[in-house]
Amino acid sequence: EDKVVQSPLSLVVHEGDTVTLNCSYEVTNFRSLLWYKQEKKAPTFLFMLTSSGIEKKSGRLSSILDKKELFSILNITATQTGDSAVYLCAANNNDMRFGAGTRLTVKP
Amino acid sequence: NAGVTQTPKFQVLKTGQSMTLQCAQDMNHNSMYWYRQDPGMGLRLIYYSASEGTTDKGEVPNGYNVSRLNKREFSLRLESAAPSQTSVYFCASSEHGGETQYFGPGTRLLVL
Repeated sequence: EDKVVQSPLSLVVHEGDTVTLNCSYEVTNFRSLLWYKQEKKAPTFLFMLTSSGIEKKSGRLSSILDKKELFSILNITATQTGDSAVYLCAANNNDMRFGAGTRLTVKP
Repeated sequence: NAGVTQTPKFQVLKTGQSMTLQCAQDMNHNSMYWYRQDPGMGLRLIYYSASEGTTDKGEVPNGYNVSRLNKREFSLRLESAAPSQTSVYFCASSEHGGETQYFGPGTRLLVL
């Protein structure tokens, strides 16, 4: 059965800390791994990863995929209160299987 | 360019009632999706449409039907609502299957 597991389920840090969010997956016909940020409403796209070992960066956020060990990490450096959200990862085959999310709270 | 729009934003139903959730996208995307999101469960795929004229079951299709009316519109129907279908429903679209999905604002459904 296809599954995506995220850890930790929740995380509380202070502004300026660095966090690492984990996503492991087991899906048939894997094509890509996506990260989304969800604040109050709809998820918004962060990264799509298709190749192992190639880091994608966007400002203070970065992500990498390991297709051999079947996991991805999302790093956020110098966290800010605006980073508080639920972070979702999803493994894409022909449809999309989401993890339960990691709820990040950044305190001032 | 509105992206993905959903109606209604909020709905209360009684058990056994039927309703249709509407979704439209103006990005000329080929693929469209319906998800439900429940606390602690993440997003679960109900149905998807890889292209106009096709629909396929996702992870949790029971109790739902879909119609890909045209390239822009993808509706989700609950024929006989049950309290277990209380959830937030998101529609999404992507240019093709396997690519980045863009989400609508969601419909909050309460079934009493």
